[in-house]
Amino acid sequence: AQTVTQSQPEMSVQEAETVTLSCTYDTSESDYYLFWYKQPPSRQMILVIRQEAYKQQNATENRFSVNFQKAAKSFSLKISDSQLGDAAMYFCAYRSPRGTGAGSYQLTFGKGTKLSVIP
Amino acid sequence: NAGVTQTPKFRVLKTGQSMTLLCAQDMNHEYMYWYRQDPGMGLRLIHYSVGEGTTAKGEVPDGYNVSRLKKQNFLLGLESAAPSQTSVYFCASSYSRRSHIRTEAFFGQGTRLTVV
Repeated sequence: AQTVTQSQPEMSVQEAETVTLSCTYDTSESDYYLFWYKQPPSRQMILVIRQEAYKQQNATENRFSVNFQKAAKSFSLKISDSQLGDAAMYFCAYRSPRGTGAGSYQLTFGKGTKLSVIP
Repeated sequence: NAGVTQTPKFRVLKTGQSMTLLCAQDMNHEYMYWYRQDPGMGLRLIHYSVGEGTTAKGEVPDGYNVSRLKKQNFLLGLESAAPSQTSVYFCASSYSRRSHIRTEAFFGQGTRLTVV
């Protein structure tokens, strides 16, 4: 089974500064999908960014970008110009592609990183 | 477009009682999932379904049952609730055959369940 590890239970960043959240995963597959989700106090799960493993280019969404290192099985999230609204739990997630056997459709999450933004 | 809707949003049960959580999606998604979220544990998969009439066990299936009689609905049942099942439950769906490049999961608002 795939595993996703977020080694930083909590992090903090000054407003307007940059912070990087770490994520590593374990898989024997060559094609897969990776995601970062944000969960604010409202509890709603919000997609921040996605990365397809077959794409070498790192995904970017406005102030959010990833550093995808396939060989190292690393998928970190960089938040630039941090804002107070970025304070939330952040979850890294892995999804297998279709049709690769039992459990291949599962979406596996890390334990999360709680990000605080200091004014 | 409502997305993914969970019912109820809050519930308190007594030990031994039963209940069913309903998840409904209107995006014609093939896959649906039930997760539980506990402090420090992230989201753990309980059961999932890859299509109407099919279900499979996830990481923590014990004490739960599921059914997917209609494509748009995924039900999670607790036959005899235990305090260890106190948690926040999330339903999610993903993958439409018509927009297969959209691979992310969409989540419901969550259900906070307390078993006393």
